[in-house]
Amino acid sequence: AQSVAQPEDQVNVAEGNPLTVKCTYSVSGNPYLFWYVQYPNRGLQFLLKYITGDNLVKGSYGFEAEFNKSQTSFHLKKPSALVSDSALYFCAVRPLFASGGSYIPTFGRGTSLIVHP
Amino acid sequence: GAGVSQSPRYKVAKRGQDVALRCDPISGHVSLFWYQQALGQGPEFLTYFQNEAQLDKSGLPSDRFFAERPEGSVSTLKIQRTQQEDSAVYLCASSGGLRDTEAFFGQGTRLTVV
Repeated sequence: AQSVAQPEDQVNVAEGNPLTVKCTYSVSGNPYLFWYVQYPNRGLQFLLKYITGDNLVKGSYGFEAEFNKSQTSFHLKKPSALVSDSALYFCAVRPLFASGGSYIPTFGRGTSLIVHP
Repeated sequence: GAGVSQSPRYKVAKRGQDVALRCDPISGHVSLFWYQQALGQGPEFLTYFQNEAQLDKSGLPSDRFFAERPEGSVSTLKIQRTQQEDSAVYLCASSGGLRDTEAFFGQGTRLTVV
């Protein structure tokens, strides 16, 4: 079974400082990894994904994520945080090649990012 | 349409009432997912369609929950005899391909059972 752990319920950072939101995963075979952001009363908005290739992937709004196979991690990062980045962030995983055609993403519990002015 | 559309956005149901939640996926998207999101939690998988075929319904919490996608586009999630524990946001997502595409989410339907 696949799973995602987001060990921090909340991350606090000052505006202008770098931010990291942590994610570790478990999946059979090669992983297909995602980050989504959720603003209040909204659905999940896709930020970025990792399939294969370069371990550092860049996404929307200046976010990037680093894939580390040995640590089974996919941490979300941004060099300089903005107050407007304050939201809920969800990491998700699914197998890249699924037997039986099941390509269902599993989500973590989410991390609340709070950026202080 | 440009994105995944869900209706209604908000639904208040009396306990025991049946409800139907609608999802309009992005045109041409093959895969459709339903998730349930409780307050302060991540999305929990309910069911998955590939075109009109329901390939996985392992996440449906009870036989009161039923989903369909009869023509491979619009999907409906039905909850019979609603209970207070059914109160949550129900999210629908669609993706274009089977393997290497991400899922796009609708804004969700917030169901409150009173």
